[in-house]
Amino acid sequence: AQSVTQLDSHVSVSEGTPVLLRCNYSSSYSPSLFWYVQHPNKGLQLLLKYTSAATLVKGINGFEAEFKKSETSFHLTKPSAHMSDAAEYFCVVSDQGGSEKLVFGKGTKLTVNP
Amino acid sequence: EAGVTQFPSHSVIEKGQTVTLRCDPISGHDNLYWYRRVMGKEIKFLLHFVKESKQDESGMPNNRFLAERTGGTYSTLKVQPAELEDSGVYFCASSRGELALTGEQFFGPGTRLTVL
Repeated sequence: AQSVTQLDSHVSVSEGTPVLLRCNYSSSYSPSLFWYVQHPNKGLQLLLKYTSAATLVKGINGFEAEFKKSETSFHLTKPSAHMSDAAEYFCVVSDQGGSEKLVFGKGTKLTVNP
Repeated sequence: EAGVTQFPSHSVIEKGQTVTLRCDPISGHDNLYWYRRVMGKEIKFLLHFVKESKQDESGMPNNRFLAERTGGTYSTLKVQPAELEDSGVYFCASSRGELALTGEQFFGPGTRLTVL
């Protein structure tokens, strides 16, 4: 069965400094991996996705993530945080065995300090 | 293109009452999903429709929950009778085709349900 572990429930950074949100996954199949973001009172928005093509995935708003099979990791990074990045971020896995079910991590709340 | 919409945005009911949540997917999206986030826990899958048919309802917690999608358009999720542990945020998502083909489920803003 698939599972996702987000290693930090809260991350706090200063504006202009790098962001690192950590995610480890477990999957029986070749996984599809996603990062979603939820801003307050908004729906979940897809940031980026990995589906067995390039291991370094670029997403919206300057975010990127690298799929590392040997480490079963899919960490989310951004070189320079902006105040508007403050939100909750979810690492998500879906196996490619035909299931449409998304399996979510518990989420990481990102705070960006001025 | 309008996104996934959910109604109501908030609902406060007493234990034992009935509540019906509604989801309108993006027009043309045959796949519709329900998820739930209970306080302090991760978002969990409830069920998946393709048009009006239930493809996977393995995440439905018990028979107090009934999901329908008559006509293959909007969907409702009824909780009857509601219990305290049903409190949480209920998300709906939709996609045009299978995840392997489209690569994305589009989520609504959620309905926050509080059972007192």
